[in-house]
Amino acid sequence: GESVGLHLPTLSVQEGDNSIINCAYSNSASDYFIWYKQESGKGPQFIIDIRSNMDKRQGQRVTVLLNKTVKHLSLQIAATQPGDSAVYFCAERGMDSSYKLIFGSGTRLLVRP
Amino acid sequence: DTAVSQTPKYLVTQMGNDKSIKCEQNLGHDTMYWYKQDSKKFLKIMFSYNNKELIINETVPNRFSPKSPDKAHLNLHINSLELGDSAVYFCASSLGLSGGNTIYFGEGSWLTVV
Repeated sequence: GESVGLHLPTLSVQEGDNSIINCAYSNSASDYFIWYKQESGKGPQFIIDIRSNMDKRQGQRVTVLLNKTVKHLSLQIAATQPGDSAVYFCAERGMDSSYKLIFGSGTRLLVRP
Repeated sequence: DTAVSQTPKYLVTQMGNDKSIKCEQNLGHDTMYWYKQDSKKFLKIMFSYNNKELIINETVPNRFSPKSPDKAHLNLHINSLELGDSAVYFCASSLGLSGGNTIYFGEGSWLTVV
């Protein structure tokens, strides 16, 4: 089975509230960023992406904000639901020839009923 | 239909053994990857292949050898397994290498070395 990510930062929110998950990225040259959601026992699932020529992008109940000045990315989830409980990862894609995806350390979101 | 499928899902084996994890994608993608996730949930790329050609080999011990018989398959063979190899291994694929192609992950293979 799955081991527990004991060292993961955790965000606990009440069902129906908005959630904000933050991420600091490392490479100022990265120009593509992605948020993934990983539910227990499953692989990471794409949520939303943003290119560096944008500072905001909206999806269904999710918004990603990009602040290139401070190399900060955030994921906002509106009206958080129990099904949103998962580990969330930000990832940046480098611009070398490998286009390698570098993941952040992850944040666990717990939704209280 | 599972887009990226990997087998086995769970594998418990003894130190020193050799084992393989298989991966197949039915998305018609050109690029496939292996990622390793440790007990702290940290995800790190190991290898990527584009049209059967090795693109990324992220300083992984040479006990790990990926094999891509065709662009829909990327298998991972591990020789002389060590305790530290215990982790979850994720196969993934994307349309191509260029930035902006979404990476789709499989469900993971939980490897425990005892």
